[in-house]
Amino acid sequence: NAGVTQTPKFQVLKTGQSMTLQCAQDMNHNSMYWYRQDPGMGLRLIYYSASEGTTDKGEVPDGYNVSRLKKQNFLLGLESAAPSQTSVYFCASSPNRLTRTDTQYFGPGTRLTVL
Amino acid sequence: KNEVEQSPQNLTAQEGEFITINCSYSVGISALHWLQQHPGGGIVSLFMLSSGKKKHGRLIATINIQEKHSSLHITASHPRDSAVYICAVSGEYGGSQGNLIFGKGTKLSVKP
Repeated sequence: NAGVTQTPKFQVLKTGQSMTLQCAQDMNHNSMYWYRQDPGMGLRLIYYSASEGTTDKGEVPDGYNVSRLKKQNFLLGLESAAPSQTSVYFCASSPNRLTRTDTQYFGPGTRLTVL
Repeated sequence: KNEVEQSPQNLTAQEGEFITINCSYSVGISALHWLQQHPGGGIVSLFMLSSGKKKHGRLIATINIQEKHSSLHITASHPRDSAVYICAVSGEYGGSQGNLIFGKGTKLSVKP
């Protein structure tokens, strides 16, 4: 099993450009998450999806959109990139929404720079 | 005040030392997670616990629910333990809607 995979690994954008970060998991997990990690701050939740076809906002959703059309894929879109979106983005999945027994599995991350 | 606080922020140790990283939280939780982020960036889950103590190899995690505190211990530390250790909690009864709340991490460097 590949676990959680993310593409691309690195990306440089100019301000105003758009792009989609892709995340895939092969563990048949119901829940998927997108986080951003910035220096000096903990991981912050951007959006999550409790199940295929549903998405909800997390702590920092502004400037992003998501789609979960297939159970194994969770896409994060930047419609008009801004320098403030320079960050490392992590995708994660878990069998279900976190309970006493579920843990999260993380992808390798995407390092995004917006100039 | 952050809901999840870790200490210390940075820790340097000599190989072989016993290491303790602390995590305090201010919300009701269903579970507490310890994660390890390697220098290359990947994040892996080390422990998930809701009571007591868990051990895996040289790593031990404990939690005191009444005091809202957890510790991660590393015995006989090794340079390969150098990483950022992250504490995270999942809220109880819908608090944080089943999502994780993360601490800022503790950067550990073990010198040979």
